[in-house]
Amino acid sequence: DAGITQSPRHKVTETGTPVTLRCHQTENHRYMYWYRQDPGHGLRLIHYSYGVKDTDKGEVSDGYSVSRSKTEDFLLTLESATSSQTSVYFCAIGDNYYEQYFGPGTRLTVT
Amino acid sequence: GENVEQHPSTLSVQEGDSAVIKCTYSDSASNYFPWYKQELGKRPQLIIDIRSNVGEKKDQRIAVTLNKTAKHFSLHITETQPEDSAVYFCAASLRSSNTGKLIFGQGTTLQVKP
Repeated sequence: DAGITQSPRHKVTETGTPVTLRCHQTENHRYMYWYRQDPGHGLRLIHYSYGVKDTDKGEVSDGYSVSRSKTEDFLLTLESATSSQTSVYFCAIGDNYYEQYFGPGTRLTVT
Repeated sequence: GENVEQHPSTLSVQEGDSAVIKCTYSDSASNYFPWYKQELGKRPQLIIDIRSNVGEKKDQRIAVTLNKTAKHFSLHITETQPEDSAVYFCAASLRSSNTGKLIFGQGTTLQVKP
């Protein structure tokens, strides 16, 4: 668990403001993922990265962008936060094929 | 698009009984099927997984079975204990190349009554 951290852990922001969430890993894993978790929807993939500067969209990518300039950091940006983006956001990392390990999560509230 | 259906959404058992959670997937190319346990307010944690070349895998009180023909897989927990109470998620890999993408079921809330 200590190999993945997320910051901030909690955030309250206003509609229309930009927000950046950070995922940091010390495991040197190649793959990194951002999910959101909402009641009744399980975990849904927002964006993922398969290497430095290599990113792609997941199933719920609208309104989100990502960047990965270093192996250890994967940033998720909400360009203009909306109330529908209130959620718990989890970062995950993976090395071999498919096994993913999750960070502690960030609870985001957009008012 | 591809999806994973998970049933039941809630499950309540008495301590010591067995619990079974079932998932069905749509992508015939899926070859990796993990199960995650999430306690309240915590992160999902990988508890067991199975690959398509194996029909069953056990780890102490938990086991997973896979039927590729029917495209379904199940989690079995025997001798349940109160600490097994949590939300359980199944997932299946997607056919997309070299990305390790998973698609998750909606989750099952398991309650083990003492």
